[in-house]
Amino acid sequence: EAGVAQSPRYKIIEKRQSVAFWCNPISGHATLYWYQQILGQGPKLLIQFQNNGVVDDSQLPKDRFSAERLKGVDSTLKIQPAKLEDSAVYLCASSSMWAGGNNSPLHFGNGTRLTVT
Amino acid sequence: GENVEQHPSTLSVQEGDSAVIKCTYSDSASNYFPWYKQELGKGPQLIIDIRSNVGEKKDQRIAVTLNKTAKHFSLHITETQPEDSAVYFCALRTGTASKLTFGTGTRLQVTL
Repeated sequence: EAGVAQSPRYKIIEKRQSVAFWCNPISGHATLYWYQQILGQGPKLLIQFQNNGVVDDSQLPKDRFSAERLKGVDSTLKIQPAKLEDSAVYLCASSSMWAGGNNSPLHFGNGTRLTVT
Repeated sequence: GENVEQHPSTLSVQEGDSAVIKCTYSDSASNYFPWYKQELGKGPQLIIDIRSNVGEKKDQRIAVTLNKTAKHFSLHITETQPEDSAVYFCALRTGTASKLTFGTGTRLQVTL
């Protein structure tokens, strides 16, 4: 089966600019996650979708970050305006589990490396 | 939120030796404990996982042990090979939530 697809692979922007990342999960996976991984740290959850609804966005900086998952398939994550501390790898993951279930592993894409100058 | 402490942060072993990485947690409601391997420029890849009703699981050279009483779980890699060199992350799920909380990572280097 095809894995989680993300684009672009790399992005360099200046602070205060905007940027968007795209994710296509594994076919049939109902749950989609966006994680932020700062260099030298473990991934940190930003937002979780179940189909096209938000399950958890408690760690999303909502003043500058937004995400959507139209039609419950692809998802985009946007940052506007970007700050220097947003430099990180943004990872998308998907799983086939439904809310309340806990037996399905997360499958990650290769991420988008963002550099804010 | 749930915290996961992971040690050591770096580990260097000679080819053929064993490597052990340990993670500790605080919430007794944690019930699923996967380990991920991340190579340079790639996303984390699941290598083994264990659920709270199991104490140990093995897959060829890789094993994971869970001590629910002490709230820690460990990754064991035997007969290490150069291709085992990567960053390893422990993670866990708590309660009915499906999200994973990750440890801080261990950079494993296997030298010849």
